[in-house]
Amino acid sequence: QSVLTQPPSVSGAPGQRVTISCTGSSSNIGAGFDVHWYQQLPGSAPKVLIYGNNIRPSGVPDRFSGSKSGTSASLVIIGLQAEDEADYYCQSYDNSLSVSTVFGTGTKVTVL
Amino acid sequence: QAHLVQSGAEVKKPGASLKVSCKASGYSLNTYVMQWVRQAPGQRLEWMGWINVGNGNTKYSENFQGRVTITRDTAASTVYMELSSLRSEDTAVYYCATEDFYYYHMDVWGKGTTVTVSS
Repeated sequence: QSVLTQPPSVSGAPGQRVTISCTGSSSNIGAGFDVHWYQQLPGSAPKVLIYGNNIRPSGVPDRFSGSKSGTSASLVIIGLQAEDEADYYCQSYDNSLSVSTVFGTGTKVTVL
Repeated sequence: QAHLVQSGAEVKKPGASLKVSCKASGYSLNTYVMQWVRQAPGQRLEWMGWINVGNGNTKYSENFQGRVTITRDTAASTVYMELSSLRSEDTAVYYCATEDFYYYHMDVWGKGTTVTVSS
């Protein structure tokens, strides 16, 4: 089954900018399906951070932003804070056989 | 505020079956799609399947080769995920999550059910 590829880890000092990529293919992101991003704090359920490629739910700080282009998407954190240390997952849909949900491989963000 | 209440932790033996419930608190699930996702220890999120609670239509991940069944009890506003022929690799936290109507993201998540498969 298809998955979306993310870097295993990214890190940055407080206040820095970090970018997490999510690379898919023509059967998922490239087919026009929206990309969503989830933040998972240790020991907790995932929480939606960005949906519809670039929409922040209420309560999510504006230092988080998302974008999508071609077969890839990105999550950017500007002004990294200690509480941003978590795992991040992208999610979309794939129509290689029939439409099904696919997750990214996950990225651990470490605040130095 | 809408939230999902999942059944408690389970310990199962290899070969057994598992049934996890997910109940909506404070609202009806009848117009929602419910997704199931699991996460093995230290591993990534893995999609298992979904059910359209209104009409009962389902879609499952091929990774489970027919071992997973998702059902619903609309009167009880509860969805069930059953996994059969358990093996040690099924040890994981199992999450239910409702899918948003417009953008199809998973907007409300249960807290997860920890399942341990061990002889």
